[in-house]
Amino acid sequence: DAGVIQSPRHEVTEMGQEVTLRCKPISGHDYLFWYRQTMMRGLELLIYFNNNVPIDDSGMPEDRFSAKMPNASFSTLKIQPSEPRDSAVYFCASTTGDEQYFGPGTRLTVT
Amino acid sequence: RKEVEQDPGPFNVPEGATVAFNCTYSNSASQSFFWYRQDCRKEPKLLMSVYSSGNEDGRFTAQLNRASQYISLLIRDSKLSDSATYLCVVNVGNQFYFGTGTSLTVIP
Repeated sequence: DAGVIQSPRHEVTEMGQEVTLRCKPISGHDYLFWYRQTMMRGLELLIYFNNNVPIDDSGMPEDRFSAKMPNASFSTLKIQPSEPRDSAVYFCASTTGDEQYFGPGTRLTVT
Repeated sequence: RKEVEQDPGPFNVPEGATVAFNCTYSNSASQSFFWYRQDCRKEPKLLMSVYSSGNEDGRFTAQLNRASQYISLLIRDSKLSDSATYLCVVNVGNQFYFGTGTSLTVIP
């Protein structure tokens, strides 16, 4: 298995632009998580899905953030409009319920 | 209060030393426990699960004390390649709570 796949690996964008991050979980994993990591705040859970259904989005910072999982093999995290304080590494992780497997992350820089 | 608390370090130890990391968690309903390792600019990767009876994997030993809500990781005979950030993780109802990590640097 290729593991969790994320794209793009790096994204540099200007403030106000829309950013879409993509994730393909490990086949057979029914949970998918989106995290954000910064030096100041560490790893923060944004939202997680079970069987493609959002279960807890209380970690989503504000309405500028949205996430979807249209099928078992694909999820997106969208930021619109982006702001400099959104600069971070965004990780996607999947699991069957025990240990999580992380993707390589998307390093987002908003200027 | 944070769900998981760790001493951020940094821990700087010489090669061959033994080093221990500790972690406390706040939710007594926590179900499973893990140590993850994260290298610089990389994703977290599972190092080992932590069981109530304690478990060992080579030079690594993990222990759990449910009564005190405390998890530990012991690394014996430290190698340069052990330099990384070690994250304590607790699973509560399918949510995973991560500590902020403890930074370890092993010095030649």
